[in-house]
Amino acid sequence: NAGVTQTPKFQVLKTGQSMTLQCAQDMNHNSMYWYRQDPGMGLRLIYYSASEGTTDKGEVPNGYNVSRLNKREFSLRLESAAPSQTSVYFCASISTRDTQYFGPGTRLTVL
Amino acid sequence: LAKTTQPISMDSYEGQEVNITCSHNNIATNDYITWYQQFPSQGPRFIIQGYKTKVTNEVASLFIPADRKSSTLSLPRVSLSDTAVYYCLVGDIGAAGNKLTFGGGTRVLVKP
Repeated sequence: NAGVTQTPKFQVLKTGQSMTLQCAQDMNHNSMYWYRQDPGMGLRLIYYSASEGTTDKGEVPNGYNVSRLNKREFSLRLESAAPSQTSVYFCASISTRDTQYFGPGTRLTVL
Repeated sequence: LAKTTQPISMDSYEGQEVNITCSHNNIATNDYITWYQQFPSQGPRFIIQGYKTKVTNEVASLFIPADRKSSTLSLPRVSLSDTAVYYCLVGDIGAAGNKLTFGGGTRVLVKP
């Protein structure tokens, strides 16, 4: 039982490059979220998925797209990375009691 | 979503009790209160959740007054390893498309 896994752990991109952050959970949860956390700040919700096949925008969706591939996997895509997207990205899987289980994070630097 | 307000930071010493109060004046009837702990370079970790009165687990206690407009997380006898950021979240469990979002949290520094 791995909980929530994220890949990659670290990534450096050049401005304009694209990449996909992967997230998977093995807890059979319906809801999954993507957050970003800038240095010294709280977490901000980018996108969420209340169930397989559905996605909705959170607080800061611009510049991102998501795919809920199946119940286990929820990916976040940056189509054209910008320095303002330098951040730590966390994926969370949410239980029926709204307890959030977080992955280890992906540290992204955009040059 | 209920807006929450917490102190930005608190200092304490090993062995003391730390109490962090979160204000949530517009909490709704169906909202629960959940606290998370985050260490540097890690994702947040669930600590405790409650609806009213008092909840206690092996890590902390959560005190919620009758009007539910605030809540207090109590960490008994803290150690250096309790240095972290603590977040208070308020939201409706099980609501479709519910978005529980994090505020800035409270940075707790435990000193020797």
